Amino acid sequence: AQSVTQLDSQVPVFEEAPVELRCNYSSSVSVYLFWYVQYPNQGLQLLLKYLSGSTLVKGINGFEAEFNKSQTSFHLRKPSVHISDTAEYFCAVTPHSGYALNFGKGTSLLVTP
Amino acid sequence: DSGVTQTPKHLITATGQRVTLRCSPRSGDLSVYWYQQSLDQGLQFLIQYYNGEERAKGNILERFSAQQFPDLHSELNLSSLELGDSALYFCASSVAPTNEQFFGPGTRLTVL
Repeated sequence: AQSVTQLDSQVPVFEEAPVELRCNYSSSVSVYLFWYVQYPNQGLQLLLKYLSGSTLVKGINGFEAEFNKSQTSFHLRKPSVHISDTAEYFCAVTPHSGYALNFGKGTSLLVTP
Repeated sequence: DSGVTQTPKHLITATGQRVTLRCSPRSGDLSVYWYQQSLDQGLQFLIQYYNGEERAKGNILERFSAQQFPDLHSELNLSSLELGDSALYFCASSVAPTNEQFFGPGTRLTVL
């Protein structure tokens, strides 16, 4: 079984500041890793994914994440946030055998002027 | 727009009732997944279908059931509803079980 821990439930940040949302996972098998974003009253949108290859993954809206196998982490970063980045962010894993996504509890990013 | 559609958008019903939630996957996607999102449990996987066959089960209650039809749309049936079943129910689809999942806008179920 896999599990995901998002270490911060809320992250307040000022506009144009950098941000890092932390994600650690636990799994006895190889996994694929994902970050999804959920804007208020909307569904989940895929930000980026790590399947294999380069451990630095670039996604949409200027976000990137780095897969660290030794630390079992997949932290999400953005060098300069906008007000419009205010949303809930979910880290998720799925085994290579490809079944359900296991989600973390989510991190609420609040960007203020 | 992910291409996954869900109906209805909102559903309000009473305890003990039965409801059906509908999902149409993206064109060409064979896998359909159902998830429940609630404040206390977060996002939890319920069940997965692939090309009409049940593929995996998660934390789905016995009062809940699902199916995927030949045209690949899926329905989630919730019966003997309880207050605690109030949640957002998401459907997602993918081309194959190993591919990324695209989520629909969700159905918000309120049980009074």
